[in-house]
Amino acid sequence: GAVVSQHPSRVICKSGTSVKIECRSLDFQATTMFWYRQFPKKSLMLMATSNEGSKATYEQGVEKDKFLINHASLTLSTLTVTSAHPEDSSFYICSANIAGGFYEQYFGPGTRLTVT
Amino acid sequence: GQQVMQIPQYQHVQEGEDFTTYCNSSTTLSNIQWYKQRPGGHPVFLIQLVKSGEVKKQKRLTFQFGEAKKNSSLHITATQTTDVGTYFCAGPTPGSARQLTFGSGTQLTVLP
Repeated sequence: GAVVSQHPSRVICKSGTSVKIECRSLDFQATTMFWYRQFPKKSLMLMATSNEGSKATYEQGVEKDKFLINHASLTLSTLTVTSAHPEDSSFYICSANIAGGFYEQYFGPGTRLTVT
Repeated sequence: GQQVMQIPQYQHVQEGEDFTTYCNSSTTLSNIQWYKQRPGGHPVFLIQLVKSGEVKKQKRLTFQFGEAKKNSSLHITATQTTDVGTYFCAGPTPGSARQLTFGSGTQLTVLP
């Protein structure tokens, strides 16, 4: 149980275009989902907390107009990287809490974004 | 803000040797969690510790939560090549409902 999927797993896009990443909890409901960014050999950097039915909460330094987050249902959150630049190239991972559960997070497999 | 540090950052061991990673928080934690991330993979939840001084075991892995609930350790007995990966501890972020602050991670390499 507690499986999270993420799509796409890899994406290459050109500078200036937008990319949407989907995060789905497959076998549980997630009132809260998280979006992280991870640089090579580094820890997880929380970008934003996505709450179902309400606006996402962004961490300091993360541009909300650039990283659009939508949590439309209890099983789906999306992250859209708008007007992508090469410096946005990274590994993006989502995670989810089980509604009514404890704090542990279940992670998706991640999306490798390369902006050319 | 809260800081969660782990040492060592990197550890190379010969297969069969033991391994320990230490996690220290700048604040008292209500619970501590451990995750493992294999190379090229994503973090996978291993365990959660809640009580002061708690010790939990999962086969060759022993997790401990400090008496002051500010530190924790993960010990692996007789490492195997399947133990390769980065081990992260994480604690609840103060003032948030469900956010976690992740430690810097310890990258374990097991030499066959």
